[in-house]
Amino acid sequence: QSVLTQPPSVSGAPGQRVTISCTGSSSNIGAGYDVHWYQQLPGTAPKLLIYGNSNRPSGVPDRFSGSKSGTSASLAITGLQAEDEADYYCQSYDSSRWVFGGGTKLTVL
Amino acid sequence: EVQLVESGGGLVKPGGSLRLSCAASGFTFSSYSMNWVRQAPGKGLEWVSSISSSSSYIYYADSVKGRFTISRDNAKNSLYLQMNSLRAEDTAVYYCARSPTVTDWFDPWGQGTLVTVSS
Repeated sequence: QSVLTQPPSVSGAPGQRVTISCTGSSSNIGAGYDVHWYQQLPGTAPKLLIYGNSNRPSGVPDRFSGSKSGTSASLAITGLQAEDEADYYCQSYDSSRWVFGGGTKLTVL
Repeated sequence: EVQLVESGGGLVKPGGSLRLSCAASGFTFSSYSMNWVRQAPGKGLEWVSSISSSSSYIYYADSVKGRFTISRDNAKNSLYLQMNSLRAEDTAVYYCARSPTVTDWFDPWGQGTLVTVSS
């Protein structure tokens, strides 16, 4: 049982827009801690996708965007591409520990 | 190029010990916090431990507290994880990752090293 709740899976056709939610509580996201997002392609290490709720590291396409409100955060991917098929994880801080969401598998139909 | 390379994984019996290392290059290691994150086969990410740049602040997940010890040697640009009293549930790929500070995001991550605890 993860501290941050994500849907196990989402899917979309190429070119479509999908969103992945990350629901926390008043001790993590709701306490004002930032949310970060990671993309993990099959068989590889996680890669930072969004940091500080809505910031993209250099090299990450602007098709990826993040937002945060209250005790939740969201990752949006527009113009879905086959190469976006991966697992996505949210992360936040909670009482001197880091917490991750359970992960969401994105399938590009 | 910023690079993190883990080593030290392998097969160990329950109750045994293992020491993981993470060699850093391409950045000023002593200026960054460092972290260990693990991923059990087919499962999600689980934070294990974090250490601040000067080792002043150290944190552990409840699941490893008292059994694992994180440390770093800034002169050798290296991060370590001493794992004792290993259990089957510690079986996972262990990643090291860098943070600007102990409360910031993890970037980049190493390629991971597999630890298998089995008799």
